[in-house]
Parts: sequence; C-alpha cells; structure tokens
Amino acid sequence: NAGVMQNPRHLVRRRGQEARLRCSPMKGHSHVYWYRQLPEEGLKFMVYLQKENIIDESGMPKERFSAEFPKEGPSILRIQQVVRGDSAAYFCASSPPAGGGWGEQYFGPGTRLTVT
Amino acid sequence: GQQLNQSPQSMFIQEGEDVSMNCTSSSIFNTWLWYKQEPGEGPVLLIALYKAGELTSNGRLTAQFGITRKDSFLNISASIPSDVGIYFCAGQNYGGSQGNLIFGKGTKLSVKP
Repeated sequence: NAGVMQNPRHLVRRRGQEARLRCSPMKGHSHVYWYRQLPEEGLKFMVYLQKENIIDESGMPKERFSAEFPKEGPSILRIQQVVRGDSAAYFCASSPPAGGGWGEQYFGPGTRLTVT
Repeated sequence: GQQLNQSPQSMFIQEGEDVSMNCTSSSIFNTWLWYKQEPGEGPVLLIALYKAGELTSNGRLTAQFGITRKDSFLNISASIPSDVGIYFCAGQNYGGSQGNLIFGKGTKLSVKP
C-alpha cells in the first residue's frame, strides 16, 4: 500500500485524556499536513511539517495541540486533555519534495476522534 | 481569512445527466484542486489546475481554472451511481501560508439510478 496511512481509524477518549494520531506519508513524500473536518464541513488546515521541522502551524489551536514529524517514524498529532469540541475527523496529507509544499496533496483515510 | 464559496450545496440528479459545480473566491489562488470524498474516507484527488484558463480532463471529469484566478468549475458528464459523494474544491495562494489548502464546504452529489 503506497498511500498515506493513518492510525487508528477510530479513537474514543474520555474528557481529559490524551489523543495521539499517527500518519505515515506516501513513500518518497517529505511534506506532511494535518487537517480537521467537522460534520458537514470542509477540511480546515492545522499544521504543515517537514522532517524535524514545523513549517506552518497557523491553523493549530494555541493550547493542548501539538504536532511533530521526527527523523524516523510517523508524524504525530497530539491532543492533550481532550474536550468534547475536539471530536472530529482528522486527516493527514502528504506531498512530494519537488513541489516545495505547493501543489497536489494526497490524503489518508482519517482518524475519527470521539470524546465522551 | 480567505474563504471559498462552493455551489451548489447539494445536487440530486438522474443517472446519465451532466453535473456542474463551481467555487469562487474573493481573492486570487495560484492552484485549484478538486477532491471527492466518500463516507468514512479521506478526500481523493481528482484534478489539479495550475494555470489561469487551464482546462483539464480526467475521464468524464473536466475542470477549469478561471481566467481571473478567483474561480474554478468541475463538470461531470454522463453521471453514474458511483459518482455519489461530496466534491470539494481547494485552493492555494502563494501569498498565503505555504502549503495551506483552503477548502470549500463541498457539493453533495446524489445520483438516482
């Protein structure tokens, strides 16, 4: 499977717990993006990362949310002390290095987070 | 912030009919992308447009990048039941945050066999 991989596909957390969402980009892709989608809405940009660097986090909430893309391993979106309003589908996308962060982005299947 | 207005919000059509949907923006975009999303899945890239006036086809799908760079449309010819889903436009602006795709709210397509 050469596509963007995300896990888990579904995640249930109680209020106050931590959520960790993982994303492995397409083979050969070095740019990773995270988006959030609420029901009946379009996707909203959260953060753009390259290996070991956060390039743009203008869409990330200031508190409780963090993202990383380490030298080895998947990109992680971490939500601390989750609240009900964090319930949403979180999508990861990747793009090839040649685009320099512009152009086509390929999306994973998403992680559906439910906070109870 | 920048917003995309996508219309129509939903469409109910008969199999075999042609479909047209569009996106408009108050500001210029340098790239327009069209995606399709099915329930429980991520968006799948259909067509990417990089030049004003560009017309690109992918099978029964045709999309155009508006001359003013503020709009784009997607046409689907001879629709079939598997065309059902939500179609999103997305734009990138070189003057904005690098990598940031701005999405419309989607056009939900229903096809009656």
